[in-house]
Amino acid sequence: NSKVIQTPRYLVKGQGQKAKMRCIPEKGHPVVFWYQQNKNNEFKFLINFQNQEVLQQIDMTEKRFSAECPSNSPCSLEIQSSEAGDSALYLCASSLSGGANTEVFFGKGTRLTVV
Amino acid sequence: GDSVTQTEGLVTLTEGLPVMLNCTYQSTYSPFLFWYVQHLNEAPKLLLKSFTDNKRPEHQGFHATLHKSSSSFHLQKSSAQLSDSALYYCAWVSGGSNYKLTFGKGTLLTVTP
Repeated sequence: NSKVIQTPRYLVKGQGQKAKMRCIPEKGHPVVFWYQQNKNNEFKFLINFQNQEVLQQIDMTEKRFSAECPSNSPCSLEIQSSEAGDSALYLCASSLSGGANTEVFFGKGTRLTVV
Repeated sequence: GDSVTQTEGLVTLTEGLPVMLNCTYQSTYSPFLFWYVQHLNEAPKLLLKSFTDNKRPEHQGFHATLHKSSSSFHLQKSSAQLSDSALYYCAWVSGGSNYKLTFGKGTLLTVTP
């Protein structure tokens, strides 16, 4: 069973509203990722962290999305002003290190619907 | 740029028949390759990875062999089971820093009785 915990499992927001989702990575995992899985089941990388520092993020994330992984608190991903195209499954994942051969563990995701 | 291409869309098989899902990569350097599986309403999970100290990676009856000559890492299983019905993703990590796992477009495997 996945030890990456994401809340809420389902989120419904109106266009223009803020949408915030949280993730508790697996204990001891300093590297955290956020992915968006669209209705065609395709994955899009959004951002990753090592401890509290951002490693990489895509342009979309820089503009309308904000994410953080504070120490001793859940990580979060927030969409400042939701758009219909943001409707997707948002997956959080964690790993023990940033090495290429390290297994990445996923949560079950937060399914966002923007109406 | 670097990329992976996998069997896209839907693959439907009858239980007991062999499974083969294709994955080919395009990269300046040999990337690290993975297969992830996602069952309905479940988290994606690692199934196989390409680097296992000269052993062919195997898990739950699935195996995949990295062929550098053909830039491929096809997923195979000799006999499909109903429980194998799921989404399968070929994924890769480049050799650079700031580890980023990139996924292919996914294949929905449906195994029927």
